[in-house]
Amino acid sequence: GAVVSQHPSRVICKSGTSVKIECRSLDFQATTMFWYRQFPKKSLMLMATSNEGSKATYEQGVEKDKFLINHASLTLSTLTVTSAHPEDSSFYICSARLAGVPPYEQYFGPGTRLTVT
Amino acid sequence: DAKTTQPNSMESNEEEPVHLPCNHSTISGTDYIHWYRQLPSQGPEYVIHGLTSNVNNRMASLAIAEDRKSSTLILHRATLRDAAVYYCILRGNTDKLIFGTGTRLQVFP
Repeated sequence: GAVVSQHPSRVICKSGTSVKIECRSLDFQATTMFWYRQFPKKSLMLMATSNEGSKATYEQGVEKDKFLINHASLTLSTLTVTSAHPEDSSFYICSARLAGVPPYEQYFGPGTRLTVT
Repeated sequence: DAKTTQPNSMESNEEEPVHLPCNHSTISGTDYIHWYRQLPSQGPEYVIHGLTSNVNNRMASLAIAEDRKSSTLILHRATLRDAAVYYCILRGNTDKLIFGTGTRLQVFP
């Protein structure tokens, strides 16, 4: 099956610093990738949709200047949390969509746990 | 995206079948029904999807009501590894998967 990886799996950073999270589709090309965040005991919340070679589309309420998304190739998307604060601590999950005909199955990465101290 | 309603939690004993219900009364004709599950501290995992007909795969079966306003995910023999949060999601013309609160399945030995 399709595999999506994320790096790092865990990261601890100090308040005010920036953190970059990578999402890779390992055995397929993904024209579209998605970024989610998940707080403890809560469901996944879609943050943005990332299309290769174009600007990401952010969901309402998500600050695009704080969560920078780059999708420079068909196998790699990155999420940079800029000037991180403790309230940004969360589980960040990416997914990649298989191109082709509907229903466009999505495959998820294992997640990155960010802790901001 | 149309909304789904699932019970917050369900319990099962190991080796028994589990039927996880999902109501989606506002489903439109082009919405696919997707099921994902999430084990603790992991990303969601695709389980199964369908449009109108019942579907079977190695993980589960999906039974879709004739009017498509509800569906049931069937795990034929629950194992401890099936303990997870199961999400029923409708997917229409957009790419997005919008997650609801899901059903937390507990499996007891």
